[in-house]
Amino acid sequence: DAGVTQSPTHLIKTRGQQVTLRCSPKSGHDTVSWYQQALGQGPQFIFQYYEEEERQRGNFPDRFSGHQFPNYSSELNVNALLLGDSALYLCASSSPGHSYEQYFGPGTRLTVT
Amino acid sequence: AQSVSQHNHHVILSEAASLELGCNYSYGGTVNLFWYVQYPGQHLQLLLKYFSGDPLVKGIKGFEAEFIKSKFSFNLRKPSVQWSDTAEYFCAVRNRLAFGKGNQVVVIP
Repeated sequence: DAGVTQSPTHLIKTRGQQVTLRCSPKSGHDTVSWYQQALGQGPQFIFQYYEEEERQRGNFPDRFSGHQFPNYSSELNVNALLLGDSALYLCASSSPGHSYEQYFGPGTRLTVT
Repeated sequence: AQSVSQHNHHVILSEAASLELGCNYSYGGTVNLFWYVQYPGQHLQLLLKYFSGDPLVKGIKGFEAEFIKSKFSFNLRKPSVQWSDTAEYFCAVRNRLAFGKGNQVVVIP
């Protein structure tokens, strides 16, 4: 049983560019959450998707947007990249009725130069 | 808003020593509390969770945590650590998981 998978594992972008990160949830899971983890910090909640809609959102600007597909996979898009967007981006999934218990993927390391 | 505070961000212990990591939260609603662990080079993994019931929760690998409502705390403990417990430990609250800054624990063999 594959766990949460994310792609790519590493990414280098230039300021002002746009990036798309991808996540496939654990089998049987329907809810996907995204987190940003800066170096030396705990993960910060970006948003959560359920039934292809954004259900909750953390304190992140509109440059951060997402999408969930009918197969429950999800994308995180970041526009107009800033140096401060450099971080590990984590995806977590949870099963129906158990949105509090989240399983994390390995993350995508984004470096903005 | 929900927030989590973790203290003693860097902890260095010898094997067989006892470990206790503090976690304090602020959240006015129904409390769901978690401890996650991140071993070097690995994913975040759930160590244990508290939703309701017995405030003393047992997790994997001999870890336990105690929920004390009056103190808004959910401290993690292990009586005797091993070298393999070297990791970063995060306390988190609720389903959108407000995380603390983490505790970097190094166990010296």
